[in-house]
Amino acid sequence: DVKVTQSSRYLVKRTGEKVFLECVQDMDHENMFWYRQDPGLGLRLIYFSYDVKMKEKGDIPEGYSVSREKKERFSLILESASTNQTSMYLCASSFGTGLYYGYTFGSGTRLTVV
Amino acid sequence: QKEVEQNSGPLSVPEGAIASLNCTYSDRGSQSFFWYRQYSGKSPELIMSIYSNGDKEDGRFTAQLNKASQYVSLLIRDSQPSDSATYLCAVNMRPGAQKLVFGQGTRLTINP
Repeated sequence: DVKVTQSSRYLVKRTGEKVFLECVQDMDHENMFWYRQDPGLGLRLIYFSYDVKMKEKGDIPEGYSVSREKKERFSLILESASTNQTSMYLCASSFGTGLYYGYTFGSGTRLTVV
Repeated sequence: QKEVEQNSGPLSVPEGAIASLNCTYSDRGSQSFFWYRQYSGKSPELIMSIYSNGDKEDGRFTAQLNKASQYVSLLIRDSQPSDSATYLCAVNMRPGAQKLVFGQGTRLTINP
């Protein structure tokens, strides 16, 4: 089975801290994605990457950056955490265009910024 | 118009009945369609995918696709309390597209 592993299940950080969320997949997927999910707002795409060192902005990239130095790892960085970034963060990966296999999601990181 | 629309619910169905979840999409060129189940506090898991018009069955789940009407549905037969979850419809909208477009999800509750 494809596994997408997110490093933390729960995280509490202070306003202004730099926060790193890590995601690792073990099936050689080209594409990786970071979403946040908030009640009533659904899944919102922050950034995605279709290759090492490549990144594309999603719908809500402000306040975030990403890094993909190795194919299996995709990191989300909150440069200066704010309370409005309290959310569930979901990493996903897909093979090729995702046409036939869809995404596989990690278990999520619930981030609270205080 | 949203690209992928679902009834937000909540949808309440008695145990043993058929639950019907609906999804419409805006792009006629959409290629593939996915249903995800998400339990409260958990991440989405893929339960069905469909690419061609018609029905696709997997156990108690049936996905139905009508590209002319731009409509995809998920039927759950013999609904169980464990089916209570939010169901997300996702669409791959263009050939070569690397992103899925998700609906907002429908919350389903199965009443014992």
